[in-house]
Amino acid sequence: NAGVMQNPRHLVRRRGQEARLRCSPMKGHSHVYWYRQLPEEGLKFMVYLQKENIIDESGMPKERFSAEFPKEGPSILRIQQVVRGDSAAYFCASSPMDSNYGYTFGSGTRLTVV
Amino acid sequence: AQKVTQAQTEISVVEKEDVTLDCVYETRDTTYYLFWYKQPPSGELVFLIRRNSFDEQNEISGRYSWNFQKSTSSFNFTITASQVVDSAVYFCALSEGDSGTYKYIFGTGTRLKVLA
Repeated sequence: NAGVMQNPRHLVRRRGQEARLRCSPMKGHSHVYWYRQLPEEGLKFMVYLQKENIIDESGMPKERFSAEFPKEGPSILRIQQVVRGDSAAYFCASSPMDSNYGYTFGSGTRLTVV
Repeated sequence: AQKVTQAQTEISVVEKEDVTLDCVYETRDTTYYLFWYKQPPSGELVFLIRRNSFDEQNEISGRYSWNFQKSTSSFNFTITASQVVDSAVYFCALSEGDSGTYKYIFGTGTRLKVLA
């Protein structure tokens, strides 16, 4: 049973480009969460999605960031017109219905904006 | 407001020493969940333990043990006879059961260095 798969592991973008981060949840998991870890900091919640629905996006920056979890395919976190401050590790986690049993995290995507 | 504090930024110990990582939390909910995760140098996040607010029993798993005390809002983590492989950043996290969204509030982490 494969874990949460995130790709790419490392992503380098120039300022102003778009970054697309993908997350495939564990089999049978229909809840996906995205977190951002800035250098030397803890993880900060960004968004919680279920299939085709955004449940809580209270941690998402108001501009340039969007997330989706379509009926088919992985969840996508999209960052438009990246800036140096977007450089961070982005972690995806998934869970079955009751997520308070503990998420399973992916290995993260490390985004570097140059 | 909910908050998790890990006051120890970095701890260094010599192999075989015992070490305790502190975690203090704040929440208004009566139902909540506490977690510890390990982030080794490779960067992934490894789930260690979950504890709900109604279960104050301490837990031991091999060299790891956890002390949950609601009276002091603390959920401390002890590694007995530490090993070099324990070197990592350890995060404590809180999830409020009444929020309905299951998002976690993480502490800023404690970097543990175990020296040979």
